[in-house]
Formats: sequence, structure tokens, C-alpha cells
Amino acid sequence: NAGVTQTPKFRILKIGQSMTLQCTQDMNHNYMYWYRQDPGMGLKLIYYSVGAGITDKGEVPNGYNVSRSTTEDFPLRLELAAPSQTSVYFCASSPPTDGSNQPQHFGDGTRLSIL
Amino acid sequence: GNSVTQMEGPVTLSEEAFLTINCTYTATGYPSLFWYVQYPGEGLQLLLKATKADDKGSNKGFEATYRKETTSFHLEKGSVQVSDSAVYFCALTIPGSSYKLIFGSGTRLLVRP
Repeated sequence: NAGVTQTPKFRILKIGQSMTLQCTQDMNHNYMYWYRQDPGMGLKLIYYSVGAGITDKGEVPNGYNVSRSTTEDFPLRLELAAPSQTSVYFCASSPPTDGSNQPQHFGDGTRLSIL
Repeated sequence: GNSVTQMEGPVTLSEEAFLTINCTYTATGYPSLFWYVQYPGEGLQLLLKATKADDKGSNKGFEATYRKETTSFHLEKGSVQVSDSAVYFCALTIPGSSYKLIFGSGTRLLVRP
């Protein structure tokens, strides 16, 4: 029962480098989300997707890009890493709606440091 | 706009003490309310939820009641254990918003033996 899997768990980048944070889920969930969690703060939504081929911006999208070519995968890309992007990144997914709000299932996070 | 406000932590309690973590919200429409828990080094796990006014969510001895009149969803537990030490997040979703979660800033709970 893998659920939501994020890779890598830790990464250190230099300013200006790029990287992709991977997220995959095996629950056939339509909805997927990327959040960042800064120290002492709640999670803020970066991007989300309601299905393959559909993505939309969240609260803090600047500096990031996403794609959703399959139901399972929702990678997050940082093109030009900046120190302000040092954070813990969480991917989450939700099942198709059945008329009630379903809880989101979270991965274990990727801790990213930009130096 | 929509937002969630939680009491600031850390909250430090002795084992078997009573726990209350306050959560209030501002939202358009009729939100669903959630408590998530984050243990050290892990992702968030759903603790409990309530989808309409006066609903009570409960799990693992924790309870929270959806109070529309006071726009609150306070988390309570009658007797905490050391294993309850974690960060607790109150959150909401708005109907029709693709179930995007809006989080409070989190409250760290430390339970001492």
C-alpha cells in the first residue's frame, strides 16, 4: 500500500540550479496537490491538478512549474533555484468526489535546501 | 478571504492532562473542517473531520465539534499521552474549490512523562 510517494527525501541545490521533485500515487486519485511548508508555518498551496492534462496555480506558484501527463504522476519543477525556495515540499492526492469532501493523502515530503 | 487561525504553540502538557487546541476560521459558504497531525519527520495524516454544522469528528480519543455560530473547530482530548507529541494543523476546504486545503499555521504539542 504505497499511497503517495515522493522522491527525493532530501536535496541540496545551489542557487540557479534546477530540479524536479517527483510525486506518484497508486490510488487512482483525480486530484493532486503540491504544498510547501516553511518553518513554523502552515502549508501553502503551490499548484494543483484536477486530472491528467489539467493544472492550475495555487497561492504561491512563482518560481515553479508542474505537469500532469498521467493520473499517477505530478512532478514539480524548480527552474532557477533561489534561497527563498528552501522549504519542505509535500505532495497530496484526493479521490474522486462522491458529494462529500474527501481527505487528502500526503506523501512524506521532500526537504529542499538552496545554498 | 478564507483563512484558519490556530492558537500559537508550543503547548506543553504532562501525560494524562486535558488538551484543547483552539481553531477558528473565516470562510465563504459552508466549509468542511479538518484536523491533520504531523509526527516528526513524517507527512500529514488526517486525524478527524466534520462536514457540516454541529458535526463532531472523533478519532484516537481526539474530538472536535463544528460550531458555525462561533466559526470554531477546537481540538480536545481528555488524557494526552507522550505519543501524542506532534504538530496539529486545522484546515478547511470550500465546496467547489477542487478540495484545496487552507491550513492554519500549526500548533506543536509536547507531552512530558
